[in-house]
Amino acid sequence: AQSVTQPDIHITVSEGASLELRCNYSYGATPYLFWYVQSPGQGLQLLLKYFSGDTLVQGIKGFEAEFKRSQSSFNLRKPSVHWSDAAEYFCAGRTGTASKLTFGTGTRLQVTL
Amino acid sequence: DTAVSQTPKYLVTQMGNDKSIKCEQNLGHDTMYWYKQDSKKFLKIMFSYNNKELIINETVPNRFSPKSPDKAHLNLHINSLELGDSAVYFCASTYTGELFFGEGSRLTVL
Repeated sequence: AQSVTQPDIHITVSEGASLELRCNYSYGATPYLFWYVQSPGQGLQLLLKYFSGDTLVQGIKGFEAEFKRSQSSFNLRKPSVHWSDAAEYFCAGRTGTASKLTFGTGTRLQVTL
Repeated sequence: DTAVSQTPKYLVTQMGNDKSIKCEQNLGHDTMYWYKQDSKKFLKIMFSYNNKELIINETVPNRFSPKSPDKAHLNLHINSLELGDSAVYFCASTYTGELFFGEGSRLTVL
């Protein structure tokens, strides 16, 4: 089945440390991939997206993600985490603009001061 | 200006009641969705409409009935509410493939 998987349920990092959140995908063709962030009690905000082209994608709030076809991965990174980055992060994928967007189970990021 | 707005933000009701959630987007998008987020934060698509036409209908109980009066609105009506319907319901819209989400409507069934 077509899906995305987030293997880490919960990650804790210190403020100022680097961050990498993992996402693996399982699609027959190159999917459209997304990272969303959800702060407590809020909706989902798009951080970045990959449709095609350059495999290193820059997003908002200093986040970036790299599409690696050989590893079926689309990991999210940030060089220096801020306390305000504490939130739930969702990887999502779809096979085309008309298909449904499927979400991973989310990774909860906790930031210690 | 809120791009995707949902009302109400909170609903608390008794089992067996009927409730509706309304969604409006001012982005000019053609496609709108309803997603359900359970207590474990898992997001699952329920329905999708494109230009008022139903295009995705996941295995959702028929107590849930979406309605799209025009492409800017997608409402969700739920009959005979059950405890398991307690969740946060998100409306979203898209034109180019990325989804824009509303802030969610938290439904609590007692």
